Amino acid sequence: GAGVSQSPSNKVTEKGKDVELRCDPISGHTALYWYRQSLGQGLEFLIYFQGNSAPDKSGLPSDRFSAERTGGSVSTLTIQRTQQEDSAVYLCASSPPTGWGSNEQFFGPGTRLTVL
Amino acid sequence: SQQGEEDPQALSIQEGENATMNCSYKTSINNLQWYRQNSGRGLVHLILIRSNEREKHSGRLRVTLDTSKKSSSLLITASRAADTASYFCAPSSGGSYIPTFGRGTSLIVHP
Repeated sequence: GAGVSQSPSNKVTEKGKDVELRCDPISGHTALYWYRQSLGQGLEFLIYFQGNSAPDKSGLPSDRFSAERTGGSVSTLTIQRTQQEDSAVYLCASSPPTGWGSNEQFFGPGTRLTVL
Repeated sequence: SQQGEEDPQALSIQEGENATMNCSYKTSINNLQWYRQNSGRGLVHLILIRSNEREKHSGRLRVTLDTSKKSSSLLITASRAADTASYFCAPSSGGSYIPTFGRGTSLIVHP
């Protein structure tokens, strides 16, 4: 079946421009996560959506970062006034609505963002 | 929020040998997951162990969890060159079950 998809796969932008990154989760998955990974580093949690609940935005590094999830499905991560330190691979993951203790994540291929 | 810390940072072994990676975390967890990341397949879930479990197996993988020491280990037996990848542990705690990742262990298996 279809996995998590992300677009674009690569994005090169100039410092100060806004970018939008898109994530299509697996159909039926209620949880959606955004992470970013800098070269040689681990995954940094950014934001988490679960069903109709208010998103957990505790990982967003600054107010230049925001995310939406429309209709409980597709999500868009927006970075305003991009900076060079925003360069990273942005990963999206979704999880099915399973019971307690099972939050296995299915990851997309990522969007590689380069800010010049 | 906490994140897992993997040890060692890098591991280099010969094909056929076993590989052991460790993970430590700071606060009580709901569960802990292990993931693998390589350039070909991205991040892939390997195994999930719940806080009330002590050991779990999946094929050549064996995961242990010691909640008293706040640590977990991943053992890969009879390693293959295809096991070359970075391995991450991701503990989840609190009510939201957000897995948090460390920097991973980079495993190289020489054929």
